Amino acid sequence: GQNIDQPTEMTATEGAIVQINCTYQTSGFNGLFWYQQHAGEAPTFLSYNVLDGLEEKGRFSSFLSRSKGYSYLLLKELQMKDSASYLCAVRDLTGNQFYFGTGTSLTVIP
Amino acid sequence: DTEVTQTPKHLVMGMTNKKSLKCEQHMGHRAMYWYKQKAKKPPELMFVYSYEKLSINESVPSRFSPECPNSSLLNLHLHALQPEDSALYLCASSQEGSGRVSGEQFFGPGTRLTVL
Repeated sequence: GQNIDQPTEMTATEGAIVQINCTYQTSGFNGLFWYQQHAGEAPTFLSYNVLDGLEEKGRFSSFLSRSKGYSYLLLKELQMKDSASYLCAVRDLTGNQFYFGTGTSLTVIP
Repeated sequence: DTEVTQTPKHLVMGMTNKKSLKCEQHMGHRAMYWYKQKAKKPPELMFVYSYEKLSINESVPSRFSPECPNSSLLNLHLHALQPEDSALYLCASSQEGSGRVSGEQFFGPGTRLTVL
């Protein structure tokens, strides 16, 4: 089976840095994705990791350790608009199936 | 065009009705997906089409019937639904991805379905 875990909720202060963790145990691995989803809207793609290490895109960075089955999304200089749900997803070896984690609801406070 | 469109945006139907949800993309993606999402939960995969053929059916009840008329269109036919089927139905598409090619999913805005 597939098991992808994230913290359910997090709160952070505007301007600060927050790290959202994702641990996974899947039968195959072909990339890990992070998506952002605002309430009532569709998920939008944030980042992709397939090799170990850090990928940086502006205020967002994502890290992967395949041996540990672990990833994190780092959000810097938090803004109020970053309040959203953050979804971690693992793609399987067929390339067609994406397994989503439980999602982390982030609230940014002034 | 990097957009996935879905119609209708909202749908209210009775348990005896038959309706269809539609999804369209013109990015040349050969994989298309239907997800069901309940409030404060992650999307749950229902169906995957790859090159217009159904490749994954996640044990979805037969009252949901997918159809892929061509590589740009995906439909979800609904019949005899139950109130617990009320949810946001998301369509997504992706190109083939592996290695450095991400092949991320592009999601449509969803159809908010209410079954009375």
